[in-house]
Amino acid sequence: AQSVTQLGSHVSVSEGALVLLRCNYSSSVPPYLFWYVQYPNQGLQLLLKYTSAATLVKGINGFEAEFKKSETSFHLTKPSAHMSDAAEYFCAVSQAGTALIFGKGTTLSVSS
Amino acid sequence: GAVVSQHPSRVICKSGTSVKIECRSLDFQATTMFWYRQFPKQSLMLMATSNEGSKATYEQGVEKDKFLINHASLTLSTLTVTSAHPEDSSFYICSARDFKRGTNTGELFFGEGSRLTVL
Repeated sequence: AQSVTQLGSHVSVSEGALVLLRCNYSSSVPPYLFWYVQYPNQGLQLLLKYTSAATLVKGINGFEAEFKKSETSFHLTKPSAHMSDAAEYFCAVSQAGTALIFGKGTTLSVSS
Repeated sequence: GAVVSQHPSRVICKSGTSVKIECRSLDFQATTMFWYRQFPKQSLMLMATSNEGSKATYEQGVEKDKFLINHASLTLSTLTVTSAHPEDSSFYICSARDFKRGTNTGELFFGEGSRLTVL
């Protein structure tokens, strides 16, 4: 069975500071990994995805994530937070042909 | 990119009535669609997997007689919440895989979600 664990249900940063959202996965086979962002009362927007190509994945809005097999991690980072980054972030895992399994989410707050 | 459209985006109904939510893949064919449910401040929980032309596969704990799923074509899946009650109030999100390009990446394309409020 697959699963993801997002460490920290709430992360607060100052504008311009580094953003680090943690995600660890569990999978018996090489996984596909995703980060999604959700703004209030909206659907999901894909930030980036890992599909066994490059381990460092660059996404939209300046976000990137690094797949580390040895640590079973796929942490999301952004060098400099912006106020508009405040949202809910979900890490998800899947295998080919299966549904995505989501973590519990991390709320990112950005203060000025 | 692949577009998935859900309708309605918001619906309010009285307790005991049934509500249908549609999920359409607009520019690709989806042999498989997935329905998720999200309670406030919580994550997305997979409810069922909808396969075109066959019965849906429900996750443990999801009542198949209450949440009727139909996937009659390669571009349309519907979720009907029957005899809705206030505890069914939630955000329902569908997703679809473009079988031509999504199988090798695992990526799903998500609808905008439908917020159901049962009075």
